[in-house]
Amino acid sequence: EIVMTQSPSTLSMSPGEGATLSCRSSQNVNSHLAWYQQRPGQAPRLLIHSVSTRVNDIPARFSGSGSGTEFTLTISSLQSEDFAVYFCQQYNVWPRTFGQGTKVDI
Amino acid sequence: EMQLVESGGGLVQPGGSLRLSCEASGFNIYWNWMSWVRQAPAKGLEWVANIKQDGRDKYYVDSVKGRFTISRDNSKNSVFLQMNSLRAEDTAIYYCVRDQHVVVDGNFYYYMDVWGKGTTVTVSS
Repeated sequence: EIVMTQSPSTLSMSPGEGATLSCRSSQNVNSHLAWYQQRPGQAPRLLIHSVSTRVNDIPARFSGSGSGTEFTLTISSLQSEDFAVYFCQQYNVWPRTFGQGTKVDI
Repeated sequence: EMQLVESGGGLVQPGGSLRLSCEASGFNIYWNWMSWVRQAPAKGLEWVANIKQDGRDKYYVDSVKGRFTISRDNSKNSVFLQMNSLRAEDTAIYYCVRDQHVVVDGNFYYYMDVWGKGTTVTVSS
C-alpha cells in the first residue's frame, strides 16, 4: 500500500497570508493525486484532482502542483473559510490512500 | 444539487451488526462506482469498500474483509454497507462517496467527487 505523508501537521497562519502544504507518496503516483478540504464538523469536499485540476466552484486562490512523489497545495491568500484540515489522496493504485492531514489554523 | 444522504448509524455492542444506507439525489448512481470511506475520531480518512456500477465487482480494505458487505440498488439510487462482527476499532463516521474517473492511456483512475455528510457508528459495550 502507498503511504501518503503530509507536512506540516499544523500550519498556523493569519488571514491574507499564503500557505503551502506538502504531500509525499512512498511510490510514484503519476498525476493521480487529489486534495480534499474538511471544515470543522463537515464532510470532506474535493478541491483538486489530477494534481492541479480545480473542481467547479473552488476559488482560483487554491492551486496544486507536483509530480511523481512530491506534491503541493498552495492557498495564495487565506480567507476565513479556508481554515480547515486538508488531505491529499493517491488514486494511482488500490487501495486508494490518504495522508494524515494538515490543519490550517489561525 | 447532487447529494448523498447516509443513515443507519448508531451505538452497537462489539460483535453486533449494523446496516448503513446511502441515498443519492441530483444524479443517477447507475453511472458510477460508489464507495464508503470512514473517519475514526480525531483521525484521518480510510477508504473502506467500493462497488462497480453493476454491483458485480466489490473491493474492501483488508481490515473489514469477511465482515462488511457493500451492495447497491440502482433502481432506488442507493448504496448499502452491511457491517457484521463489529469491533471497537470500527467506530467512526462513515461517509458515502461517489467515485469519478479520469482515463489515461485507456486506464481508469478513480477519485472521490461527491461526499455525504456521514453517519456515526459507535461500537462499545
